[in-house]
Order: sequence, then C-alpha cells, then structure tokens
Amino acid sequence: RKEVEQDPGPFNVPEGATVAFNCTYSNSASQSFFWYRQDCRKEPKLLMSVYSSGNEDGRFTAQLNRASQYISLLIRDSKLSDSATYLCVVGLDNYGQNFVFGPGTRLSVLP
Amino acid sequence: GAVVSQHPSWVICKSGTSVKIECRSLDFQATTMFWYRQFPKQSLMLMATSNEGSKATYEQGVEKDKFLINHASLTLSTLTVTSAHPEDSSFYICSRQGAYGELFFGEGSRLTVL
Repeated sequence: RKEVEQDPGPFNVPEGATVAFNCTYSNSASQSFFWYRQDCRKEPKLLMSVYSSGNEDGRFTAQLNRASQYISLLIRDSKLSDSATYLCVVGLDNYGQNFVFGPGTRLSVLP
Repeated sequence: GAVVSQHPSWVICKSGTSVKIECRSLDFQATTMFWYRQFPKQSLMLMATSNEGSKATYEQGVEKDKFLINHASLTLSTLTVTSAHPEDSSFYICSRQGAYGELFFGEGSRLTVL
C-alpha cells in the first residue's frame, strides 16, 4: 500500500460545480497535513493546511479524519482558475524531510 | 510574494556537462532546505535535505556524487548535477519550511540534457 493515495482523476467539472478530493494515508502516526495545488509545469503552492477540527478558506474546505486516516478537500462554486493538480501532503512529523506527497488529482473546470 | 527563489528556470545542456541550480530563501534564514525531482505525470520525490554548514542528507537511491549539494549560507543552497545524462532530465524543485511547518517551493528548474 502506498503511503499517500489520492483519487486517480482527472476530474472534469463545469464551472460552478462542487468538487471533492480525497486522500488516504497509511501511517497512523502522521501529524501534518496539507493541500497544495500545482499548475502545469509550475511549482506546488500551498492551498491549505489541514487541522483536526477542519478548516475553511472561502470556497475551500479541508477536513481530517484521523480514525479513517483520510483528508478531504472540497471546492465549492468552482472557477476556471481552479484547474490544476491538487496534491495531498502528509508529514510523519513536522520535519520537511518526512513529508510524503500524494500522486495528485488533476482538475479541469470547463466553461 | 515569493519566499523561495530558484534559478535558472530552465536549462538545456549537453550530455556529460554539469549544471548548477541555485535556491534562495528570500524572507528568512533557512538552516535546512529540501531538493526534489519531479518526472512528468509523477509527484515530487525528495532527493536530499540540504543542511547549512554540514553535509546534505540524501534519500535512498540518490547518488550523492552525482547530485552535489552545497548549503554554504543561511539563504542559499545549490544543487549541481554532475556529468548529466538524458535520464537526468527532469523538473528540480527546492523548498524550505515556514513557521507552521508548511513547505514553500521555489519556481523549479527544468533541466533538459541532450
């Protein structure tokens, strides 16, 4: 089993749709959780850190379920500019060398 | 604005030559920085952890003599791909951690070895 797995995608959705991404991790001791977006041929950019209580930032909502070892990202009212690959990143601890990147899920928002 | 700057953005070189990539932390000093490689349609793979003033820590399977890392100052880490071959063609990205553990990435350097 891979350490971090994500929906294989791609997701093709119309503008305005709500889209959900799921990510599962294998190490129950993991402590840090993040969602990044990566545009084609660009570097990853932090979208949200994911906290135990869940957190929201505008149209984006992230949730963590430690018991089931998964995190989710919900995008509401999707925009064309949301088209990107969404990476789930899980850290065994708070040290960057122990962060594991998921394979990513590509999203295309269509007009 | 950007907190990590990477240069060059892209480079094309001949097989057998060496290429140096620079990574700068712009907003504060970084005793540790990270180097990744990303092949097309794959996720980032950590190559090594760059430690200011000491040797880098390489991940399993990464040749330390081929990928030379120098972290001579608190704001600059360099990765040198020595005797590059076509299979080294990839997207190389550096990062450092922020105050809350999150990673900030440089713009990446796309290397093409002919």
